[in-house]
Amino acid sequence: GEDVEQSLFLSVREGDSSVINCTYTDSSSTYLYWYKQEPGAGLQLLTYIFSNMDMKQDQRLTVLLNKKDKHLSLRIADTQTGDSAIYFCAERPNQGGKLIFGQGTELSVKP
Amino acid sequence: EAGVAQSPRYKIIEKRQSVAFWCNPISGHATLYWYQQILGQGPKLLIQFQNNGVVDDSQLPKDRFSAERLKGVDSTLKIQPAKLEDSAVYLCASSLGPGGDTQYFGPGTRLTVL
Repeated sequence: GEDVEQSLFLSVREGDSSVINCTYTDSSSTYLYWYKQEPGAGLQLLTYIFSNMDMKQDQRLTVLLNKKDKHLSLRIADTQTGDSAIYFCAERPNQGGKLIFGQGTELSVKP
Repeated sequence: EAGVAQSPRYKIIEKRQSVAFWCNPISGHATLYWYQQILGQGPKLLIQFQNNGVVDDSQLPKDRFSAERLKGVDSTLKIQPAKLEDSAVYLCASSLGPGGDTQYFGPGTRLTVL
């Protein structure tokens, strides 16, 4: 079936790196996404990776994909207090468009 | 470029009442999605439109939920009658097309059913 799992909480100190992990089940997923949600706001797309890639870097963000283990991670370098939010991993199981989301990881950044 | 617009932002109703939410997608986006996000969970797709046709409504509780996108632009999601378990944030998203195109989300409507 379709399922995406994430750890629920992560706490880091300002300036440290944060790593948020995600596992998914559908090996046919062509795109995998990371969204950020701040309190009371909608979802903001952070980055995505195509399934034939194993790494993508975008400024402070690095996405790693292990397709064999169906494992996705998001690394945020030099984490700032403004990065405090809930981060959602999502897979797109087919070309139809539906996204399957994890339950979100709440990132808390302490000064 | 304007983002996805939704209204109202907040709604409080009593169980068994009716409620409607409105969404205006990004101009030119043919595909529109409604997701339900229950507190503490990730969003779950309710319905997907391609222009004014329904592509996927397999997880829409059709006995009480309905949605339309009559002219292929704006969309309305209705709940009639509401239950306590419908309390959630209803997110609208749009994309250029249904394939690998990025989905852009609106701010959501937070519904509380008492």
